[in-house]
Amino acid sequence: TQLLEQSPQFLSIQEGENLTVYCNSSSVFSSLQWYRQEPGEGPVLLVTVVTGGEVKKLKRLTFQFGDARKDSSLHITAAQPGDTGLYLCAVTTDSWGKLQFGAGTQVVVTP
Amino acid sequence: DTEVTQTPKHLVMGMTNKKSLKCEQHMGHRAMYWYKQKAKKPPELMFVYSYEKLSINESVPSRFSPECPNSSLLNLHLHALQPEDSALYLCASSQDGPGGIQETQYFGPGTRLLVL
Repeated sequence: TQLLEQSPQFLSIQEGENLTVYCNSSSVFSSLQWYRQEPGEGPVLLVTVVTGGEVKKLKRLTFQFGDARKDSSLHITAAQPGDTGLYLCAVTTDSWGKLQFGAGTQVVVTP
Repeated sequence: DTEVTQTPKHLVMGMTNKKSLKCEQHMGHRAMYWYKQKAKKPPELMFVYSYEKLSINESVPSRFSPECPNSSLLNLHLHALQPEDSALYLCASSQDGPGGIQETQYFGPGTRLLVL
């Protein structure tokens, strides 16, 4: 069983549409991170959410941490082709920095 | 400078070859990591180094041998690999404070390895 369940696995939308990616777990976390990975590159950190109920905005991206700190969502408004990539949620599971990722959501935005 | 660099970018090797992957960061981070990523899968942790000492080995086969010669460099020595070891190998680094390793990890672009 995956610690973090991401959905959907794949999302293909047209430019200008909105999309939401979900990251769920039965465990409680002190914080959760979202990364985006483009082909041939390493993951790039987008945001870390820490407080239950927290909402963070990064331009057209809105991140929410659930009240119980078990789940999170990423919403993209008016998606652009540059938003194409693999979106990964992740949590640190120990003090040694062991980062565990969800399976990822592949987002494709076509012009 | 928030950059982690990795060389080479691509590597093709035979099953009898010995090769090394290199990773470098100049952010003063004292925790460094190796991850393996197969196509369409998330990265999987292989090793964690903290203050140049191996802290975590996620039951990685001995044909993968990590080395941390100093606080800025991390190597992964490869020997007698199998075709199923073909993957993207990612290096990352993060701060390491008194309370434990900080959560923000900065990733390099990876080395795409093909084992024939």
